[in-house]
Amino acid sequence: NAGVTQTPKFRVLKTGQSMTLLCAQDMNHEYMYWYRQDPGMGLRLIHYSVGEGTTAKGEVPDGYNVSRLKKQNFLLGLESAAPSQTSVYFCASSYSGFTDTQYFGPGTRLTVL
Amino acid sequence: AQSVTQLDSHVSVSEGTPVLLRCNYSSSYSPSLFWYVQHPNKGLQLLLKYTSAATLVKGINGFEAEFKKSETSFHLTKPSAHMSDAAEYFCVVSDPYGGSQGNLIFGKGTKLSVKP
Repeated sequence: NAGVTQTPKFRVLKTGQSMTLLCAQDMNHEYMYWYRQDPGMGLRLIHYSVGEGTTAKGEVPDGYNVSRLKKQNFLLGLESAAPSQTSVYFCASSYSGFTDTQYFGPGTRLTVL
Repeated sequence: AQSVTQLDSHVSVSEGTPVLLRCNYSSSYSPSLFWYVQHPNKGLQLLLKYTSAATLVKGINGFEAEFKKSETSFHLTKPSAHMSDAAEYFCVVSDPYGGSQGNLIFGKGTKLSVKP
């Protein structure tokens, strides 16, 4: 039982490049989330999903897209990376809604030059 | 609008002494409240949560928190700090009637240092 895994762990991009972050969970959770963590800011919700085939915007969705084609996977895409997207990205999942315990992945450290 | 304020960005204690990490919140309804811990270069892990049952909530590793509605506080305590408690702690509020996107607000974090 791996819990929540994220790929890759580190990535460096140039401005304007694109990339996809992959999150996978093996707990059969309905809800999945993408957060970004910046120094002194706590975590901010980018997008989330309440089930396979659904996505919704969080607090800071601009510049990101997501897809949930399979229940166990939640992909975060950056179409044209900007230096402001330099951050640590965390994926999380929960069995039911926001009041349920969220299980976090180890994070992806992204640097955009 | 809901919000969370962690009153200290950094707390330093000696091993074996009590820990107090302070959190105040504002919410339009009875919220669910959480404390998460993040060890260096790791993801977040749930310490404890309050969801309108007992006001004193016990969590893992000897931590507990008390929900005080009159003071809108949810402070995290531990009687005796251990070196392994050194980490960053986040107070989180979830308000299903808050109306904002996502409805889960994280505090900015309190970094706990434990001196030998």
